[in-house]
Amino acid sequence: DTAVSQTPKYLVTQMGNDKSIKCEQNLGHDTMYWYKQDSKKFLKIMFSYNNKELIINETVPNRFSPKSPDKAHLNLHINSLELGDSAVYFCASSPTGTSGGNEQFFGPGTRLTVL
Amino acid sequence: RKEVEQDPGPFNVPEGATVAFNCTYSNSASQSFFWYRQDCRKEPKLLMSVYSSGNEDGRFTAQLNRASQYISLLIRDSKLSDSATYLCVVNVYSSASKIIFGSGTRLSIRP
Repeated sequence: DTAVSQTPKYLVTQMGNDKSIKCEQNLGHDTMYWYKQDSKKFLKIMFSYNNKELIINETVPNRFSPKSPDKAHLNLHINSLELGDSAVYFCASSPTGTSGGNEQFFGPGTRLTVL
Repeated sequence: RKEVEQDPGPFNVPEGATVAFNCTYSNSASQSFFWYRQDCRKEPKLLMSVYSSGNEDGRFTAQLNRASQYISLLIRDSKLSDSATYLCVVNVYSSASKIIFGSGTRLSIRP
């Protein structure tokens, strides 16, 4: 049983395209996150949602738009893709959000390559 | 200065050795601390939380020094399967919560 799942696992696309990555968790967690891990392996938080509400929005270009239709899903839409968007994007979830210091469970990642 | 700093390594040690990693953080409002493990081309997974009194889980021992703002991870009797990147993670609580990952320390265990 997959706890946090992401689709697609690999995404290769041309500059300027618009693409979406989907994330679902079946753990019943209240909080979900998107992270970007670049080629230097540095993992940086992009967004966090708690019960479908945005609670963390780091300095991310507004070409990136998260959407949470319900607390089990947090999708990431990216407009006008750029070369620098190439990275691995991880979705994660945790039970009660970061204030509780709870463990985060990560999805397997989506490897995005922009040509 | 980065908010969370780790020695990137790689640490290359023989099986059975003891290895220690340190991590320093700059924000004194940091309140929760963790070590995560990330295998090559895989997602990060929680290894252990770090408590003020220090905590141990089998061969792994984590320590927190709030005065000096550093966290350590000690691995005893290292196994080949310990080869991975170890990520130091800090939760900072001020006006809003913030999660900060260190860039990771690569560990390679050789037979």
